[in-house]
Amino acid sequence: DTAVSQTPKYLVTQMGNDKSIKCEQNLGHDTMYWYKQDSKKFLKIMFSYNNKELIINETVPNRFSPKSPDKAHLNLHINSLELGDSAVYFCASTLGESTGELFFGEGSRLTVL
Amino acid sequence: AQSVTQPDIHITVSEGASLELRCNYSYGATPYLFWYVQSPGQGLQLLLKYFSGDTLVQGIKGFEAEFKRSQSSFNLRKPSVHWSDAAEYFCAVGDSNYQLIWGAGTKLIIKP
Repeated sequence: DTAVSQTPKYLVTQMGNDKSIKCEQNLGHDTMYWYKQDSKKFLKIMFSYNNKELIINETVPNRFSPKSPDKAHLNLHINSLELGDSAVYFCASTLGESTGELFFGEGSRLTVL
Repeated sequence: AQSVTQPDIHITVSEGASLELRCNYSYGATPYLFWYVQSPGQGLQLLLKYFSGDTLVQGIKGFEAEFKRSQSSFNLRKPSVHWSDAAEYFCAVGDSNYQLIWGAGTKLIIKP
């Protein structure tokens, strides 16, 4: 009965490949996020969607493309993977754009070789 | 510019001892303040939050935090830590749109 679930949990791939991470939340929230956590645990927001509309698009290479088919899902597609993309990617959700109370998934650890 | 500083990269505490994790922020208006915990291999979980009112806020797992405007601080405390408290702790401040600015985290290590 996971609130925010991400798949896959682990992803190992070669440089240059394309990969996707999926996120689903069953909390009825209408805002979802993608965060990147690097090896030093620093959290950086990448994207935010509210009711399927993009509301935050931080300085992220355009190789990263989010897609929200409905307000319960937010997927992340990454083209032409680079070594520096290795990180843990977290999906999170919240009710409304403005609460600050985020519910996080367990993370997807991406390793690019 | 808005920022959050967690001065301690890691802290080691004996099991049963008290704990205080420091957080300082830089923000022009009244801040909305949060503490999140990340257990190993897990996502982040909200421990507690301060929006307004009583400056001492209680959270889950026996944690509390005190907002001190004069010191621009929001330190997290627990009177007696348990081994299961070993984790990474993140302080965050929300701007007027509740978008979060995150600290770099403090890793809590528990000695048996």
